[in-house]
Amino acid sequence: EAGVTQFPSHSVIEKGQTVTLRCDPISGHDNLYWYRRVMGKEIKFLLHFVKESKQDESGMPNNRFLAERTGGTYSTLKVQPAELEDSGVYFCASSLHRDSPLHFGNGTRLTVT
Amino acid sequence: AQTVTQSQPEMSVQEAETVTLSCTYDTSESDYYLFWYKQPPSRQMILVIRQEAYKQQNATENRFSVNFQKAAKSFSLKISDSQLGDAAMYFCAYRSSKYNFNKFYFGSGTKLNVKP
Repeated sequence: EAGVTQFPSHSVIEKGQTVTLRCDPISGHDNLYWYRRVMGKEIKFLLHFVKESKQDESGMPNNRFLAERTGGTYSTLKVQPAELEDSGVYFCASSLHRDSPLHFGNGTRLTVT
Repeated sequence: AQTVTQSQPEMSVQEAETVTLSCTYDTSESDYYLFWYKQPPSRQMILVIRQEAYKQQNATENRFSVNFQKAAKSFSLKISDSQLGDAAMYFCAYRSSKYNFNKFYFGSGTKLNVKP
């Protein structure tokens, strides 16, 4: 089976611009997660979808971040407008059931200059 | 809130030797899961090993084993007979089995270098 895929793998944007990250989970996985690792620090939870519904978005830093999961398939994470502190690696993960192991994508490295 | 601490930002090991990566965590819960994930350079993060807190026996997966000390809230990973392919970032993670089960709490990672 295809794994979790994320696009782009790397994005460099200027402060104030908009960036949209995409995640395609493993087919059939209802649970989709976004995590972020700011340089050298721990990986932190952003939010959790079950199908198209946001189950938990308590980790979203602020209202500049918007996540969607159209039709319960792929998900996008938009940052608008981007700030310097948004730089980091954004990971997407999916799981079949809520207590199943997480399958991660390769991550998107976002650099805001 | 749960926290996971990995105090070793980077470690090195000679090929074929053994290395232990440290992880401590803080929680008030009695039922939870602990994980070690591995992220090779430019590749996706994969699960190495998983431990249920209610199990006293330490989990093992081939050359990977853990030393789970529940009272001390310690969860170290031992890699035996290290191979070049073990070079990666290793993340320790915690997940509650009851509350906020959808959230994994990760440490900051340990970069493991394997020397030929």
